[in-house]
Amino acid sequence: AQSVTQPDIHITVSEGASLELRCNYSYGATPYLFWYVQSPGQGLQLLLKYFSGDTLVQGIKGFEAEFKRSQSSFNLRKPSVHWSDAAEYFCAVGSSNTGKLIFGQGTTLQVKP
Amino acid sequence: DVKVTQSSRYLVKRTGEKVFLECVQDMDHENMFWYRQDPGLGLRLIYFSYDVKMKEKGDIPEGYSVSREKKERFSLILESASTNQTSMYLCASSLGLAGVISTDTQYFGPGTRLTVL
Repeated sequence: AQSVTQPDIHITVSEGASLELRCNYSYGATPYLFWYVQSPGQGLQLLLKYFSGDTLVQGIKGFEAEFKRSQSSFNLRKPSVHWSDAAEYFCAVGSSNTGKLIFGQGTTLQVKP
Repeated sequence: DVKVTQSSRYLVKRTGEKVFLECVQDMDHENMFWYRQDPGLGLRLIYFSYDVKMKEKGDIPEGYSVSREKKERFSLILESASTNQTSMYLCASSLGLAGVISTDTQYFGPGTRLTVL
């Protein structure tokens, strides 16, 4: 069965530091991969997505993610974190079999001044 | 911009009550979804709809039903609310023109935090 794992429940980084949020998926075919962000009190917003092609994907707000098939990973990165990036981040995989999105458990990012 | 609105941000109901959660999208999207969000569990799909009057069960449909009488509106119904349905409920919509849900960007509402006492 398809699944998505975000190993880090909670991450704290200092403002200006780099960030990497991990995402591992289990899926037999080429996955459709997404990262969403949920700011406090708001719904989820798409940061970026990967379907095929270049394995390094650029998104909004300065985020990028790299698809690594050999590691079944799709980690989210940002070179310099801003206080406004504090939020919960969700990785998701789209299943072509079921037509549904499967979400990871989420990673809460705290940004220290 | 796509806008997905949900009827209430916070709702408190009593066990056994019938509860309606309403969701409206303004971008003529084909697909609409209801998720529940619980700490440590991420988002889990309750039901989705790919057309008016059409619905499909998600991963956790038990205790819930849905209604889509108009394209822009998707309602989640808790027939008899129970305390284990206390949760954050998120509605989403996606374009769906290609008929493939798995590649669509989903647009989310702000959520309804439901407490069942």
